[in-house]
Amino acid sequence: AQSVTQLGSHVSVSEGALVLLRCNYSSSVPPYLFWYVQYPNQGLQLLLKYTSAATLVKGINGFEAEFKKSETSFHLTKPSAHMSDAAEYFCAVIYGNKLVFGAGTILRVKS
Amino acid sequence: EAGVAQSPRYKIIEKRQSVAFWCNPISGHATLYWYQQILGQGPKLLIQFQNNGVVDDSQLPKDRFSAERLKGVDSTLKIQPAKLEDSAVYLCASSINSGPQETQYFGPGTRLLVL
Repeated sequence: AQSVTQLGSHVSVSEGALVLLRCNYSSSVPPYLFWYVQYPNQGLQLLLKYTSAATLVKGINGFEAEFKKSETSFHLTKPSAHMSDAAEYFCAVIYGNKLVFGAGTILRVKS
Repeated sequence: EAGVAQSPRYKIIEKRQSVAFWCNPISGHATLYWYQQILGQGPKLLIQFQNNGVVDDSQLPKDRFSAERLKGVDSTLKIQPAKLEDSAVYLCASSINSGPQETQYFGPGTRLLVL
């Protein structure tokens, strides 16, 4: 079955530290890949998307993600965490014209 | 540009009651989606409309859920009768068109609690 796996339901980092949120997908064809962020009591907001152009995708708020076909991964990174980055992050993949989400990773930023 | 609007934001009902949610997509967006987000899980697509036609409702529990988008603009999602397991956030999203590369824009959601 086609799936999206986000390793770690909770990630905690110190302010100023590197943020790394992991996402792996199951697909035999180059996919469309997305990262969304959800702040408390708000809808999902697109951070970035991969659509078969450059493998390193830059998004909003200093986030970026790298598509690695050999590893079927699309991990999200940010060099320096800020308190305002605390939120839940969802990786999503298009399967058969349907957006399929991972279970999400809650990012906590410690001061 | 106004975003996707949803109402109500919160709803508490008892099991076996009915409930309806409303969504107004971004102006000019032809495609509208309803998702169910259960606590601790990612959103799951319930139904997708292209203008006022249904594109995909394969994951909609049709014995109790229904949705319509009569004039190709706003949409309603109804649950009748509700079950305890329907407690979730119901998200509406819209996109300009239905291609896989299209960005979906999400509303704030309606949080439903079934007692």
